[in-house]
Amino acid sequence: ETGVTQSPTHLIKTRGQQVTLRCSSQSGHNTVSWYQQALGQGPQFIFQYYREEENGRGNFPPRFSGLQFPNYSSELNVNALELDDSALYLCASSLEGGETQYFGPGTRLLVL
Amino acid sequence: GNSVTQMEGPVTLSEEAFLTINCTYTATGYPSLFWYVQYPGEGLQLLLKATKADDKGSNKGFEATYRKETTSFHLEKGSVQVSDSAVYFCALTPRGTGANNLFFGTGTRLTVIP
Repeated sequence: ETGVTQSPTHLIKTRGQQVTLRCSSQSGHNTVSWYQQALGQGPQFIFQYYREEENGRGNFPPRFSGLQFPNYSSELNVNALELDDSALYLCASSLEGGETQYFGPGTRLLVL
Repeated sequence: GNSVTQMEGPVTLSEEAFLTINCTYTATGYPSLFWYVQYPGEGLQLLLKATKADDKGSNKGFEATYRKETTSFHLEKGSVQVSDSAVYFCALTPRGTGANNLFFGTGTRLTVIP
């Protein structure tokens, strides 16, 4: 059974640029959630996708957007990057209606 | 609203010492409660969970009991090992919402020295 995978592992961007992060969910999981973890903090919920639709969103501006594909993989897009967007971005997958989320290793984004 | 408060770290213990990491929560309704662990350079791993009052979650020698009366979910281990060095996060998922998103505490860094 393949776990949650994310790409890339590290990324450096400059302020104002756009970035796309990718996530493949664990086999059989149709729900994907994205979290932002700033240095020294706990993860903060960005949004969740279920059946290719957004199924809940945290307190993040619209420049954070996402997609889910028919194979349940997902993308997180961030436009107009700001310095404060520097963080570890975590993807988690779960079964439909399941409470337990399984996390990937994360993508570390640095915005200069 | 929903929130989790964890004891501040870092915590440094000698091998075989007893561990307690305090966690209290505020939630609408009756949430499910979790402890996740993050080893250096890795993502989060589920350590244990409890879904209703008085449930005890346990795994790898760690335990936590869901206490509704004190809104707490303290993590304990009787004898820590060097390999337990990591950051521990308490989290909750509220019931009755569309998304099963997690609300995390700020994390507690544990270092176990030989």
